[in-house]
Order: sequence, then C-alpha cells, then structure tokens
Amino acid sequence: AQSVTQPDIHITVSEGASLELRCNYSYGATPYLFWYVQSPGQGLQLLLKYFSGDTLVQGIKGFEAEFKRSQSSFNLRKPSVHWSDAAEYFCAVGAGSGSARQLTFGSGTQLTVLP
Amino acid sequence: DAEITQSPRHKITETGRQVTLACHQTWNHNNMFWYRQDLGHGLRLIHYSYGVQDTNKGEVSDGYSVSRSNTEDLPLTLESAASSQTSVYFCASSDPSGGNTEAFFGQGTRLTVV
Repeated sequence: AQSVTQPDIHITVSEGASLELRCNYSYGATPYLFWYVQSPGQGLQLLLKYFSGDTLVQGIKGFEAEFKRSQSSFNLRKPSVHWSDAAEYFCAVGAGSGSARQLTFGSGTQLTVLP
Repeated sequence: DAEITQSPRHKITETGRQVTLACHQTWNHNNMFWYRQDLGHGLRLIHYSYGVQDTNKGEVSDGYSVSRSNTEDLPLTLESAASSQTSVYFCASSDPSGGNTEAFFGQGTRLTVV
C-alpha cells in the first residue's frame, strides 16, 4: 500500500526567507504526486502536481516541487516566503489504476511565517 | 462555476444519534471521496465511490456508510455517532479520465459529538 511521510510537523520561517517542505512517499509504481495547501477553516487547494515528464514542476503562488525518484521524494520549495503563505501543507500520492484512483495524504506540515 | 459543497458546515450531535453529512458536486465527476482530518493524522480516507451504485471502504470506514444514487451526491452517514468521530470531514471529487487523480475539495464539515 502507498504511504506518504512529511517529517516536519511544524516549520517557522521569516518573511522573505526561502522555504523547503519535505515529502517522502512509498509506492510500487510510478506515482502521481500532489501538494495541497489548507488555510485555517478552509478546504484544500491544489498547489501543484506531478504526473510525468519534467521532474521540476511549477505551481501557483510561486511554489515549485522536484520529483526525485531515487530518493522517493517530492519536496516543495519557494524562494521567498510571504506572510500569506502561513498555512498547513499536505503532500499526497495518487495510486490505483485506470479510473480507480485515490489519494493518500501525509500528516501535514504547519508553516508559520514571522514578520 | 462548477463546485463541490458540503452541508452543514458545523454540527453538534449527541452520542448514539444518526448523522448524515451532505456532499454535492456539479462537475459531473465519477469519483467521490470522504476524508476525515484529525490533528497529527492528516486526511484519512473513509469511503469512496467510482460511480453510481459503487461504494468502497477506505482506511477508517468503521461506523460510517455512504450511498451513491446519482453522480452529484455522496452523503456520509454516521450510524450511531461516537465521541471518537468528532472531526473535520472533507468531501472531494475527481475526474479519472487520463488517470488524473487530482481531487477537488469541499470546505469541510466540523462535527462535534457530545
């Protein structure tokens, strides 16, 4: 069965600093990988996704992520964090075949941004 | 615009009562999912459906049931609510064409069982 590990429960960065959120996955086949963001009291919004092709993917709000098959990782990065980026971030792997696909989520990383 | 809506947004119920949470999507997506979100656990899959009349158990299905009588709706029922089911519940849908597993989420329902 697939699984996702986000080793950092909580990260604090200063506004303007760079950010990297870690994500490791376990899945026997080629994974479909996602990063979602959740603001307080809100649902989940897709930041970016990787299906195939270029291993560096660009998302919304200036985020990017790099798929590294050899490390089973899909880390999320942003060169300069804004106060509005404070939220919880979830990495997910999509598994299954054909139309029978579902997402498995990591436990999330809470991001605090200091002024 | 197409969307996915959950109702109610907040609910307080008593232990032992039956509770139904509604989920309605207007994307005409075949796939629909229910997750619960608890601190330290992320989102865990409760039930899911790949089409009308299809339902499947997820990781944490005990005490929950779903039914899929049309494409748009997947109501989640707690047969006899327990305090352990106090959580935030999210409904999601996806279009599986091309193997796409990107899911679109509702705003969530905060359920408190007292």
